[in-house]
Amino acid sequence: EVVMTQSPATLSVSPGERATLSCRASQSVSTELAWYQQRVGQAPRLLISGASTRATGIPARFSGSGSGTEFTLTISSLQSEDFAVYYCQHYANWPPAFGPGTKVDIK
Amino acid sequence: EVQLLESGGDLVQPGGSLRLSCAASGFTFSSYAMTWVRQAPGKGLEWVSSVSATGSRTYYADSVKGRFTISRDNSKNTLYLQMNSLRAADTAVYYCARGLRGVIFPLDYWGQGTLVTVSS
Repeated sequence: EVVMTQSPATLSVSPGERATLSCRASQSVSTELAWYQQRVGQAPRLLISGASTRATGIPARFSGSGSGTEFTLTISSLQSEDFAVYYCQHYANWPPAFGPGTKVDIK
Repeated sequence: EVQLLESGGDLVQPGGSLRLSCAASGFTFSSYAMTWVRQAPGKGLEWVSSVSATGSRTYYADSVKGRFTISRDNSKNTLYLQMNSLRAADTAVYYCARGLRGVIFPLDYWGQGTLVTVSS
């Protein structure tokens, strides 16, 4: 089964700065990869599907890239509401799996 | 507006059973695959189980296979998770979620979750 890893575990960023989050799969998942955001006390929210397609209503400052085993989520200019935990998930085969998450907090 | 409302979470003893429900509204429930995802306290997300739109195909994580059963009643717009032989490791918030545009993944709408606590 495919194992997902994310780095860093915690990313400290100042508002307005760029954040770059990484996700790696233990074997190729093509572009069958999603990113989710989870704010404190809330359910996860879909940000990106197919590695690079923004979900409905997601601001353009969120972008995803990558294919195969290496993926990146970039937040171009962090807003206060972006401080949260971000999870990647592959769905290339069974079982699907989430990464352990990257917490983006205020520097 | 798409809404998913989970219920049924409770405190249960090890070895006990519980049935979770997820009431869906705001979309054609019978056209969408559905999934349960759980999150242990302070931990990350873990996929639990998925079911196709018609209910004919079901999928389970190894950690729950043989103990949990996913089902749906499309006439009632409701998703279920029957959980038997519960263990302390099953303690988590359980979310139901909808598959995007009819496929199982990714998950485009999530409920707010229901807490299951397994403890004596």
